[in-house]
Amino acid sequence: DTGVSQDPRHKITKRGQNVTFRCDPISEHNRLYWYRQTLGQGPEFLTYFQNEAQLEKSRLLSDRFSAERPKGSFSTLEIQRTEQGDSAMYLCASSYGTETSTDTQYFGPGTRLTVL
Amino acid sequence: RKEVEQDPGPFNVPEGATVAFNCTYSNSASQSFFWYRQDCRKEPKLLMSVYSSGNEDGRFTAQLNRASQYISLLIRDSKLSDSATYLCVVTQLSGNTPLVFGKGTRLSVIA
Repeated sequence: DTGVSQDPRHKITKRGQNVTFRCDPISEHNRLYWYRQTLGQGPEFLTYFQNEAQLEKSRLLSDRFSAERPKGSFSTLEIQRTEQGDSAMYLCASSYGTETSTDTQYFGPGTRLTVL
Repeated sequence: RKEVEQDPGPFNVPEGATVAFNCTYSNSASQSFFWYRQDCRKEPKLLMSVYSSGNEDGRFTAQLNRASQYISLLIRDSKLSDSATYLCVVTQLSGNTPLVFGKGTRLSVIA
């Protein structure tokens, strides 16, 4: 399977715990995005990498959230001191893009987080 | 005001019906437009891009009206397998930026 993969697919944690999610993009893709989706809403942008550089962060990404893409390949999203409001589906997407082209984002299956 | 607005539905239609979804966007700087499909508890998947000239892919037709900041999706001859949530999506630049999603419109095609 050469699509975007995410791990774990489901995570249940207690409030106050830290969690880390991993995303493996399609191998030749230089761009990687994190989105969050809650029930009844469309996905909302969190942050975006081009290669290893984190180029944009949403206001939704509080201090408790951090994302990395250390070698420009896989990415991790960590949430510290989780809160019940963090319960959501965390979606990763990747694309190959240049300054002048329109790139198509391909989504992974998501990590569903439940904070008790 | 939300940046992308859609009627959440649900739209319940019989097989074979024609159904249309509408979407409006507030940012006049938006440059790229898409419809994504999302099945229950699955990830969004690109259905089609939307161009000013309108475009068609089989039973699906998408239209863009930049003056009215309005996007539409028409599905002809609905199939049971078309049941899903349809997400209207815009970006500010030519696809090189994060996607901005509407809440989605839920479609149920009934036998």
